[in-house]
Amino acid sequence: SQTIHQWPATLVQPVGSPLSLECTVEGTSNPNLYWYRQAAGRGLQLLFYSVGIGQISSEVPQNLSASRPQDRQFILSSKKLLLSDSGFYLCAWSRQGNQPQHFGDGTRLSIL
Amino acid sequence: DQQVKQNSPSLSVQEGRISILNCDYTNSMFDYFLWYKKYPAEGPTFLISISSIKDKNEDGRFTVFLNKSAKHLSLHIVPSQPGDSAVYFCAASGRDSGYSTLTFGKGTMLLVSP
Repeated sequence: SQTIHQWPATLVQPVGSPLSLECTVEGTSNPNLYWYRQAAGRGLQLLFYSVGIGQISSEVPQNLSASRPQDRQFILSSKKLLLSDSGFYLCAWSRQGNQPQHFGDGTRLSIL
Repeated sequence: DQQVKQNSPSLSVQEGRISILNCDYTNSMFDYFLWYKKYPAEGPTFLISISSIKDKNEDGRFTVFLNKSAKHLSLHIVPSQPGDSAVYFCAASGRDSGYSTLTFGKGTMLLVSP
């Protein structure tokens, strides 16, 4: 069966510090991978998605970036965090095509 | 512009009764629809989906209805249980994006009381 791992579960970072959140998927190959953010009281906002190694599509302009160095690894990064980057970050995977996405347990990021 | 709308932020239902969660969409290219359930501090869990070639899909206590002409779908939970209390998200995708992305509504918080 497929599993998705996302870490850390919670993170507190000062403004201006860098960020690296990692997500890995097991039990499948060539998945689509996604990063979402859920800000307080809001829905799920798609940040980035990838349909293959090295292929990244960005949905919203921001100071975040994503990379996919391996088939089942997806990394969300920032060089300098802003207060507005606080939120609940979720990684997800899906098979290609008309398929549901499956989510990790999320990372609660608080910027001080 | 919200392409997927869940107009009810919250819904309260008694245990054993039916819960009906509603969702409207505006993008006529959407032809695959999903419902997710989310507990606090956890990722959303996939519940049920429906493609536009159907108007109903059932899985146990969960049934999703799709009305393409009205661009409306609903999730019925029968009977509702206290463990169903969570935020429910409606999502949609279509061939125009190669089904590679989902557009989510803002969610409806369901509270099922004993």
